[in-house]
Amino acid sequence: GAGVSQSPSNKVTEKGKDVELRCDPISGHTALYWYRQSLGQGLEFLIYFQGNSAPDKSGLPSDRFSAERTGGSVSTLTIQRTQQEDSAVYLCASRRTGLTTEAFFGQGTRLTVV
Amino acid sequence: GQQVMQIPQYQHVQEGEDFTTYCNSSTTLSNIQWYKQRPGGHPVFLIQLVKSGEVKKQKRLTFQFGEAKKNSSLHITATQTTDVGTYFCAGNFGNEKLTFGTGTRLTIIP
Repeated sequence: GAGVSQSPSNKVTEKGKDVELRCDPISGHTALYWYRQSLGQGLEFLIYFQGNSAPDKSGLPSDRFSAERTGGSVSTLTIQRTQQEDSAVYLCASRRTGLTTEAFFGQGTRLTVV
Repeated sequence: GQQVMQIPQYQHVQEGEDFTTYCNSSTTLSNIQWYKQRPGGHPVFLIQLVKSGEVKKQKRLTFQFGEAKKNSSLHITATQTTDVGTYFCAGNFGNEKLTFGTGTRLTIIP
């Protein structure tokens, strides 16, 4: 596709359930980022990938959060035993290798835990 | 940790007035990028600054990177309703991790 694609766009889940959020980056983009944005707030860094490796996962809030990337392409962010405080928009971004390349964002997944 | 702070958090201006947001880091940045997020949308890249003291302009927008590469600013002249949104700076600290500032939400009073 032409842009970063995220699915689902909206997810409502019951507290305690596991959820998987998917990000399909722009083809050829080796760097992939996950951020979390609560209503009206800034972008909270979660994790980034360089290829299939995650050099920095320091932003993952707890061990209920995990992410993987396969084939240097699609990434999945998994939240186990969801809590109400996990409710937010989860944004994925990708960019070509290099510090000076621009990041392209997907439309995000709005997660609501009820 | 390496953080990027922005001030102000919110700014309300009359249409036609100027607007400035400031971005500050405690450590030297490799480069700084600016993004705009419209209400209900996702961040979109505006510009990048790499050199110490660099100044770039895009129509009514002026971007500056400090001499010490620890701060940056975005100035909008004569704001219009289309400028509404949240402006984020984002920086690299020598690696590919992209750290976003806390953002400044701009609202315009027509």
